[in-house]
Amino acid sequence: DAGVIQSPRHEVTEMGQEVTLRCKPISGHDYLFWYRQTMMRGLELLIYFNNNVPIDDSGMPEDRFSAKMPNASFSTLKIQPSEPRDSAVYFCASSVAGVPDTQYFGPGTRLTVL
Amino acid sequence: AQTVTQSQPEMSVQEAETVTLSCTYDTSESDYYLFWYKQPPSRQMILVIRQEAYKQQNATENRFSVNFQKAAKSFSLKISDSQLGDAAMYFCAYRSPNSNYQLIWGAGTKLIIKP
Repeated sequence: DAGVIQSPRHEVTEMGQEVTLRCKPISGHDYLFWYRQTMMRGLELLIYFNNNVPIDDSGMPEDRFSAKMPNASFSTLKIQPSEPRDSAVYFCASSVAGVPDTQYFGPGTRLTVL
Repeated sequence: AQTVTQSQPEMSVQEAETVTLSCTYDTSESDYYLFWYKQPPSRQMILVIRQEAYKQQNATENRFSVNFQKAAKSFSLKISDSQLGDAAMYFCAYRSPNSNYQLIWGAGTKLIIKP
């Protein structure tokens, strides 16, 4: 299996621009998680999906952030408009329901907003 | 609410020696899951080892083992025969069986391997 795939690996954009991050989970996994990692705040869960349905988006910082999962093999995290404080590494992870579960992480997208 | 604490921001060890990373957690639940993840400079989070709270036996994966002390709410990671490739950030994580698979993360410990 190719593992969780994220694109792009690096994104540099200017304040006010729209940013879209993409994720392809491991085939057969029914949970998908979006995380943000910064030095100041560590690893934060933004939102997660189960069977393509958003279950908990309480970690989404504000309305500028939105996430979708149109099908089992693709998810996007969009920031519009972007701000410098959004600069971070964004991870996508997937897991399959079961006991015990394990989250498999993608390589992350390093976002820099100038 | 559950919390996870890693009290060592940074640890260093000589190559080939043994190092122990500490993790404590706070919970009122009796059944739960604990994990150690590794994040090397490549940034990708990699599962190192996991432990189910109802199991008495400490989990082991090759050179990695845990010391799970349920009463003390302690879950330390021991790395034996440290190798240069073990250099990374190590994160401890907790999952409740009632949490819909959300993980609660510690702040991480940076492990430095001295050649």
